[in-house]
Amino acid sequence: AQSVTQLDSHVSVSEGTPVLLRCNYSSSYSPSLFWYVQHPNKGLQLLLKYTSAATLVKGINGFEAEFKKSETSFHLTKPSAHMSDAAEYFCVVSDRPGGYNKLIFGAGTRLAVHP
Amino acid sequence: EADIYQTPRYLVIGTGKKITLECSQTMGHDKMYWYQQDPGMELHLIHYSYGVNSTEKGDLSSESTVSRIRTEHFPLTLESARPSHTSQYLCASSEMNSGNTIYFGEGSWLTVV
Repeated sequence: AQSVTQLDSHVSVSEGTPVLLRCNYSSSYSPSLFWYVQHPNKGLQLLLKYTSAATLVKGINGFEAEFKKSETSFHLTKPSAHMSDAAEYFCVVSDRPGGYNKLIFGAGTRLAVHP
Repeated sequence: EADIYQTPRYLVIGTGKKITLECSQTMGHDKMYWYQQDPGMELHLIHYSYGVNSTEKGDLSSESTVSRIRTEHFPLTLESARPSHTSQYLCASSEMNSGNTIYFGEGSWLTVV
């Protein structure tokens, strides 16, 4: 069965410093992996996705993530945090290839950005 | 920019009332989904659909029902709302192939008093 573990429930950084949000997954085959962001009272927005192409994936707003099969990780990074990055971030793995897109969500990481 | 819309965004309703949460997408996606998210918790799939006249239960048991009479429309109904139904409900859609991006609506916040 597929699962996702977000290693930190809360991350706090200063504006202008790097962001690292950690995610480990388990999957019995090559997974599709996503990062979604959810701002307060807003829907989920896709930041980036990995679907077996390049292992380093660039997303919107300067975020990127690297798929590391040996470590079963898909950590999200950004070189310099902005105040507008404060939100909840979800790491997501897609269930078996073929069939419907059953997404398995991590518990989320709340990112706080301080001036 | 995703073209998937949910109404109402916020709803406060009394116990025992019937409610329908609307979801529409203009992308022609065959697959549509409903997720439930309690505050501070992860999302759970409660319903999904492969296309017109297709509806299936998700991972989390829900007393709600759904219908898919048109490709673009996937409403969720609670026949008799209870306080335990208070939650955020997120509608989503995607193309048929696995691995395609799932697009989410902005959510419907339901409070049952």
